[in-house]
Amino acid sequence: AQSVTQLDSHVSVSEGTPVLLRCNYSSSYSPSLFWYVQHPNKGLQLLLKYTSAATLVKGINGFEAEFKKSETSFHLTKPSAHMSDAAEYFCVVSGPDTDKLIFGTGTRLQVFP
Amino acid sequence: DAGVTQSPTHLIKTRGQQVTLRCSPKSGHDTVSWYQQALGQGPQFIFQYYEEEERQRGNFPDRFSGHQFPNYSSELNVNALLLGDSALYLCASSLVKRDAFFGQGTRLTVV
Repeated sequence: AQSVTQLDSHVSVSEGTPVLLRCNYSSSYSPSLFWYVQHPNKGLQLLLKYTSAATLVKGINGFEAEFKKSETSFHLTKPSAHMSDAAEYFCVVSGPDTDKLIFGTGTRLQVFP
Repeated sequence: DAGVTQSPTHLIKTRGQQVTLRCSPKSGHDTVSWYQQALGQGPQFIFQYYEEEERQRGNFPDRFSGHQFPNYSSELNVNALLLGDSALYLCASSLVKRDAFFGQGTRLTVV
């Protein structure tokens, strides 16, 4: 069975400081991993995805994530937070033969001025 | 290009009633998936439709059913509504095994 665990339900940062949202995954085979963002009253938007190519994945809006097999982690980072980054972030896994997305419980990112 | 559109945006139903939610996929997409997102939780996969057939199903009871039409649009039907069915219902469209694009969802409240 596949699953993801988001280690923080809430993260608060000041504008201009780095962002780190943590995610660990569990999978019996090589997974596809994603980060999605959900702004209030808006749909889910794909930030980035890992599909067994480069382990460092760059996404939209300056976000990136590194796939670490030895640590079963896929943490999301951004060097400098912006007020517009405040949202709910979901780590997601899917398997090789399925389009079914399995979501984590989410991390709410707050950005203070 | 309109993205994934869902209707209605909000809905209030009474326990025991039936509800139908609708989804129009992004232009060119042939696969539609439905997810339920309870308050404070991540979305959970309900089922996926491709070529008018249910292709995959999550751990949801038979009260949840769906349909896909020849134009690839889709409906989600829920019978005998329970209070616990209150949630945001998300539709995602894609080409098979490609990136999913999500609609803004339908907020269902069961009273």
